[in-house]
Amino acid sequence: DAAVTQKPRYLIKMKGQEAEMKCIPEKGHTAVFWYQQKQSKELKFLIYFQNQQPLDQIDMVKERFSAVCPSSSLCSLGIRTCEAEDSALYLCSSIDREEEVFFGKGTRLTVV
Amino acid sequence: AQKVTQTQTSISVVEKTTVTMDCVYETRDSSYFLFWYKQTASGEIVFLIRQDSYKKENATVGHYSLNFQKPKSSIGLIITATQIEDSAVYFCAMRELYQGGRALIFGTGTTVSVSP
Repeated sequence: DAAVTQKPRYLIKMKGQEAEMKCIPEKGHTAVFWYQQKQSKELKFLIYFQNQQPLDQIDMVKERFSAVCPSSSLCSLGIRTCEAEDSALYLCSSIDREEEVFFGKGTRLTVV
Repeated sequence: AQKVTQTQTSISVVEKTTVTMDCVYETRDSSYFLFWYKQTASGEIVFLIRQDSYKKENATVGHYSLNFQKPKSSIGLIITATQIEDSAVYFCAMRELYQGGRALIFGTGTTVSVSP
């Protein structure tokens, strides 16, 4: 089983609606990353948290997304106003002390 | 800038044979980690094997092994005795230790199809 839990697995939103997805990293992992993957292509880095603080994020996230990691046990990624181009698989990952990276099974967002 | 390139978009093999996938990377960091992941049909990303840049020995885990050629910035994945369930998309990824943040940079993936 994945060490990282993501919920929900599937999410359907209409254009203009808000979307929220959650990630529970493996206990003890202090670094959390979100990635976006469209049509099984490469994973695109979105944002990185270290000890609940956002340390790096791409411009798209700053402009249209909201991401928080209020505790080491629960993080969330939100889209304020969904657009068709946001349809993708959103993957959360966390890193342990050995620098091993663990991925969740993802949230597949469809914007209609 | 960091970059990971996988030039092979798809490979087809017969089961029980060996498949080799290429990956080249660009980095200015002196230390970095290289990973191979497999993405199943359901979308799940599964960690396969890792190579730390300072290690000279090629990593091996089960029927996965790496061909690490540091002077060529190359990290190939070799799967021996392939099985039908090895059919998946394989991603090469890199993370720099000191520069470029800690996010993984992924290649575009290689789709492997294993047939009976």
